[in-house]
Amino acid sequence: AQTVTQSQPEMSVQEAETVTLSCTYDTSENNYYLFWYKQPPSRQMILVIRQEAYKQQNATENRFSVNFQKAAKSFSLKISDSQLGDTAMYFCAFMNPLGFGNEKLTFGTGTRLTIIP
Amino acid sequence: GAVVSQHPSRVICKSGTSVKIECRSLDFQATTMFWYRQFPKKSLMLMATSNEGSKATYEQGVEKDKFLINHASLTLSTLTVTSAHPEDSSFYICSARLAGGPSNEQFFGPGTRLTVL
Repeated sequence: AQTVTQSQPEMSVQEAETVTLSCTYDTSENNYYLFWYKQPPSRQMILVIRQEAYKQQNATENRFSVNFQKAAKSFSLKISDSQLGDTAMYFCAFMNPLGFGNEKLTFGTGTRLTIIP
Repeated sequence: GAVVSQHPSRVICKSGTSVKIECRSLDFQATTMFWYRQFPKKSLMLMATSNEGSKATYEQGVEKDKFLINHASLTLSTLTVTSAHPEDSSFYICSARLAGGPSNEQFFGPGTRLTVL
Protein backbone atom coordinates (compact mmCIF):
# COMPACT_ATOMS: atom_id res chain seq x y z
CA ALA A 1 0.00 0.00 0.00
CA GLN A 2 1.10 3.50 -0.74
CA THR A 3 1.74 5.97 2.06
CA VAL A 4 2.13 9.72 1.93
CA THR A 5 3.91 11.63 4.69
CA GLN A 6 3.80 15.33 5.40
CA SER A 7 6.13 16.07 8.28
CA GLN A 8 5.11 19.69 8.83
CA PRO A 9 1.73 19.92 10.59
CA GLU A 10 1.82 23.71 10.61
CA MET A 11 3.79 26.47 8.95
CA SER A 12 3.56 30.22 8.82
CA VAL A 13 5.28 32.78 6.64
CA GLN A 14 5.14 36.50 6.03
CA GLU A 15 3.19 37.73 3.07
CA ALA A 16 5.27 37.96 -0.13
CA GLU A 17 7.84 35.47 1.14
CA THR A 18 8.52 32.03 -0.29
CA VAL A 19 7.58 28.85 1.54
CA THR A 20 8.24 25.19 0.82
CA LEU A 21 6.00 22.37 2.00
CA SER A 22 7.51 18.91 2.13
CA CYS A 23 6.00 15.59 1.15
CA THR A 24 7.46 12.11 0.89
CA TYR A 25 5.76 8.96 -0.29
CA ASP A 26 6.38 5.28 -0.45
CA THR A 27 5.53 3.10 -3.41
CA SER A 28 6.92 0.24 -5.42
CA GLU A 29 5.21 1.46 -8.57
CA ASN A 30 7.02 3.20 -11.40
CA ASN A 31 4.09 4.96 -13.01
CA TYR A 32 1.95 7.21 -10.85
CA TYR A 33 0.73 10.76 -10.30
CA LEU A 34 1.35 13.20 -7.49
CA PHE A 35 -0.79 16.15 -6.50
CA TRP A 36 -0.96 19.07 -4.15
CA TYR A 37 -4.45 20.08 -3.07
CA LYS A 38 -5.45 23.18 -1.14
CA GLN A 39 -8.34 23.17 1.34
CA PRO A 40 -9.23 26.70 2.49
CA PRO A 41 -11.60 27.35 5.41
CA SER A 42 -14.53 26.76 3.07
CA ARG A 43 -13.40 23.09 2.99
CA GLN A 44 -13.57 22.99 -0.83
CA MET A 45 -10.69 20.91 -2.18
CA ILE A 46 -8.82 22.76 -4.91
CA LEU A 47 -6.15 21.22 -7.14
CA VAL A 48 -2.98 23.29 -6.96
CA ILE A 49 -0.58 21.32 -9.10
CA ARG A 50 -0.09 17.87 -10.63
CA GLN A 51 3.03 15.89 -11.57
CA GLU A 52 3.31 12.76 -13.70
CA ALA A 53 6.03 10.46 -12.43
CA TYR A 54 7.35 9.71 -15.92
CA LYS A 55 8.08 13.40 -16.49
CA GLN A 56 11.44 14.58 -15.25
CA GLN A 57 10.55 18.23 -15.59
CA ASN A 58 9.06 19.76 -12.48
CA ALA A 59 5.52 21.06 -12.83
CA THR A 60 4.86 24.79 -12.47
CA GLU A 61 1.62 26.73 -12.16
CA ASN A 62 2.18 30.46 -11.79
CA ARG A 63 3.48 31.01 -8.23
CA PHE A 64 3.38 27.30 -7.43
CA SER A 65 6.11 24.86 -8.37
CA VAL A 66 7.24 21.46 -7.25
CA ASN A 67 10.56 19.79 -6.65
CA PHE A 68 10.00 16.19 -7.70
CA GLN A 69 12.78 13.80 -6.75
CA LYS A 70 11.64 10.39 -7.93
CA ALA A 71 14.56 8.40 -6.56
CA ALA A 72 14.17 10.00 -3.15
CA LYS A 73 10.36 9.74 -3.38
CA SER A 74 10.06 13.37 -2.48
CA PHE A 75 7.54 15.89 -3.80
CA SER A 76 7.77 19.34 -2.22
CA LEU A 77 5.64 22.37 -3.06
CA LYS A 78 7.13 25.84 -3.31
CA ILE A 79 4.86 28.86 -3.08
CA SER A 80 6.50 32.07 -4.24
CA ASP A 81 5.34 35.59 -3.39
CA SER A 82 2.86 34.16 -0.89
CA GLN A 83 -0.50 35.86 -0.60
CA LEU A 84 -3.09 36.02 2.17
CA GLY A 85 -5.38 33.89 0.05
CA ASP A 86 -2.84 31.08 0.21
CA THR A 87 -3.77 30.49 3.84
CA ALA A 88 -5.21 26.98 3.86
CA MET A 89 -4.60 23.36 4.59
CA TYR A 90 -2.40 21.76 1.95
CA PHE A 91 -2.55 18.06 1.19
CA CYS A 92 -0.08 16.05 -0.81
CA ALA A 93 -1.71 13.13 -2.63
CA PHE A 94 -0.63 10.05 -4.57
CA MET A 95 -2.49 8.22 -7.30
CA ASN A 96 -1.61 4.87 -8.83
CA PRO A 97 -3.79 4.46 -11.91
CA LEU A 98 -4.56 0.78 -11.43
CA GLY A 99 -7.20 0.80 -14.09
CA PHE A 100 -10.46 2.36 -15.12
CA GLY A 101 -12.51 3.31 -12.10
CA ASN A 102 -9.69 2.59 -9.70
CA GLU A 103 -7.89 5.89 -9.66
CA LYS A 104 -7.64 6.14 -5.91
CA LEU A 105 -6.11 9.14 -4.21
CA THR A 106 -4.06 8.59 -1.06
CA PHE A 107 -3.68 11.77 0.95
CA GLY A 108 -1.04 12.89 3.39
CA THR A 109 -1.98 14.27 6.79
CA GLY A 110 -1.77 17.86 5.62
CA THR A 111 0.12 21.03 6.43
CA ARG A 112 -1.73 24.02 7.78
CA LEU A 113 -0.20 27.10 6.16
CA THR A 114 -0.83 30.56 7.52
CA ILE A 115 0.24 33.66 5.62
CA ILE A 116 0.91 36.53 8.01
CA PRO A 117 0.07 40.05 6.81
CA GLY B 1 -16.84 23.88 -16.01
CA ALA B 2 -16.35 20.64 -14.06
CA VAL B 3 -18.48 21.60 -11.08
CA VAL B 4 -19.52 19.07 -8.46
CA SER B 5 -22.26 19.83 -5.98
CA GLN B 6 -23.29 18.11 -2.77
CA HIS B 7 -26.61 18.25 -1.00
CA PRO B 8 -27.19 18.94 1.76
CA SER B 9 -24.22 21.05 2.81
CA ARG B 10 -24.90 20.23 6.44
CA VAL B 11 -27.34 17.97 8.22
CA ILE B 12 -28.16 17.23 11.82
CA CYS B 13 -30.02 14.06 12.65
CA LYS B 14 -30.98 11.92 15.59
CA SER B 15 -29.17 8.73 16.42
CA GLY B 16 -30.72 5.75 14.67
CA THR B 17 -32.01 7.61 11.65
CA SER B 18 -30.71 7.38 8.08
CA VAL B 19 -29.26 10.25 6.12
CA LYS B 20 -28.81 10.52 2.37
CA ILE B 21 -26.14 12.71 0.81
CA GLU B 22 -26.21 13.51 -2.91
CA CYS B 23 -23.22 14.17 -5.13
CA ARG B 24 -23.91 15.63 -8.56
CA SER B 25 -21.68 16.50 -11.48
CA LEU B 26 -23.40 19.60 -12.83
CA ASP B 27 -21.81 20.10 -16.23
CA PHE B 28 -20.16 16.81 -17.08
CA GLN B 29 -20.73 13.10 -16.97
CA ALA B 30 -18.91 11.14 -14.32
CA THR B 31 -18.42 7.44 -14.78
CA THR B 32 -16.65 7.21 -11.45
CA MET B 33 -17.28 9.02 -8.19
CA PHE B 34 -15.40 8.70 -4.95
CA TRP B 35 -16.59 9.19 -1.38
CA TYR B 36 -14.24 10.45 1.33
CA ARG B 37 -14.57 11.05 5.01
CA GLN B 38 -12.67 13.77 6.84
CA PHE B 39 -12.51 14.08 10.61
CA PRO B 40 -11.74 17.51 12.15
CA LYS B 41 -8.21 18.64 11.37
CA LYS B 42 -7.49 15.31 9.71
CA SER B 43 -6.86 14.09 6.21
CA LEU B 44 -9.33 12.68 3.70
CA MET B 45 -9.86 8.95 3.89
CA LEU B 46 -11.32 7.18 0.89
CA MET B 47 -14.43 5.24 1.81
CA ALA B 48 -15.53 3.81 -1.51
CA THR B 49 -15.33 4.06 -5.27
CA SER B 50 -18.61 4.28 -7.12
CA ASN B 51 -18.89 3.30 -10.77
CA GLU B 52 -22.05 4.09 -12.70
CA GLY B 53 -24.25 1.05 -13.12
CA SER B 54 -22.25 -1.27 -10.90
CA LYS B 55 -21.73 -1.97 -7.23
CA ALA B 56 -19.45 0.30 -5.27
CA THR B 57 -16.03 -0.88 -4.17
CA TYR B 58 -15.47 -0.25 -0.47
CA GLU B 59 -12.14 0.32 1.24
CA GLN B 60 -11.04 -2.04 3.96
CA GLY B 61 -12.77 -1.33 7.23
CA VAL B 62 -15.74 0.52 5.70
CA GLU B 63 -19.05 -1.23 6.35
CA LYS B 64 -20.96 -1.47 3.08
CA ASP B 65 -24.24 -2.11 4.87
CA LYS B 66 -23.70 0.99 6.95
CA PHE B 67 -22.71 3.29 4.13
CA LEU B 68 -24.91 2.53 1.13
CA ILE B 69 -23.72 3.95 -2.16
CA ASN B 70 -25.79 4.19 -5.32
CA HIS B 71 -24.53 5.53 -8.64
CA ALA B 72 -27.63 5.26 -10.78
CA SER B 73 -26.74 7.82 -13.42
CA LEU B 74 -23.70 9.48 -14.94
CA THR B 75 -24.34 12.63 -12.95
CA LEU B 76 -25.52 11.42 -9.55
CA SER B 77 -24.14 9.29 -6.75
CA THR B 78 -25.71 9.01 -3.33
CA LEU B 79 -24.29 8.01 0.03
CA THR B 80 -26.77 6.85 2.65
CA VAL B 81 -25.59 6.57 6.23
CA THR B 82 -27.93 4.02 7.77
CA SER B 83 -28.81 3.94 11.46
CA ALA B 84 -26.48 6.84 12.10
CA HIS B 85 -24.66 7.11 15.41
CA PRO B 86 -22.66 9.98 16.92
CA GLU B 87 -19.39 8.38 15.80
CA ASP B 88 -20.59 8.79 12.20
CA SER B 89 -20.45 12.56 12.65
CA SER B 90 -17.92 13.80 10.15
CA PHE B 91 -17.34 15.78 6.98
CA TYR B 92 -18.15 13.76 3.87
CA ILE B 93 -16.67 14.78 0.53
CA CYS B 94 -17.29 13.34 -2.91
CA SER B 95 -15.24 13.68 -6.06
CA ALA B 96 -16.03 12.85 -9.66
CA ARG B 97 -13.91 11.68 -12.55
CA LEU B 98 -14.75 13.13 -15.94
CA ALA B 99 -15.98 10.42 -18.33
CA GLY B 100 -13.41 10.10 -21.08
CA GLY B 101 -11.13 12.55 -19.36
CA PRO B 102 -7.63 11.93 -18.03
CA SER B 103 -7.61 9.28 -15.34
CA ASN B 104 -5.66 11.54 -13.05
CA GLU B 105 -8.28 14.27 -12.83
CA GLN B 106 -10.93 14.38 -10.12
CA PHE B 107 -13.23 17.25 -9.23
CA PHE B 108 -14.33 17.65 -5.64
CA GLY B 109 -17.66 18.64 -4.17
CA PRO B 110 -17.89 21.19 -1.36
CA GLY B 111 -18.58 18.56 1.28
CA THR B 112 -21.40 17.71 3.67
CA ARG B 113 -21.10 18.12 7.40
CA LEU B 114 -23.04 15.42 9.24
CA THR B 115 -23.80 15.76 12.92
CA VAL B 116 -25.53 12.89 14.67
CA LEU B 117 -27.04 13.72 18.04
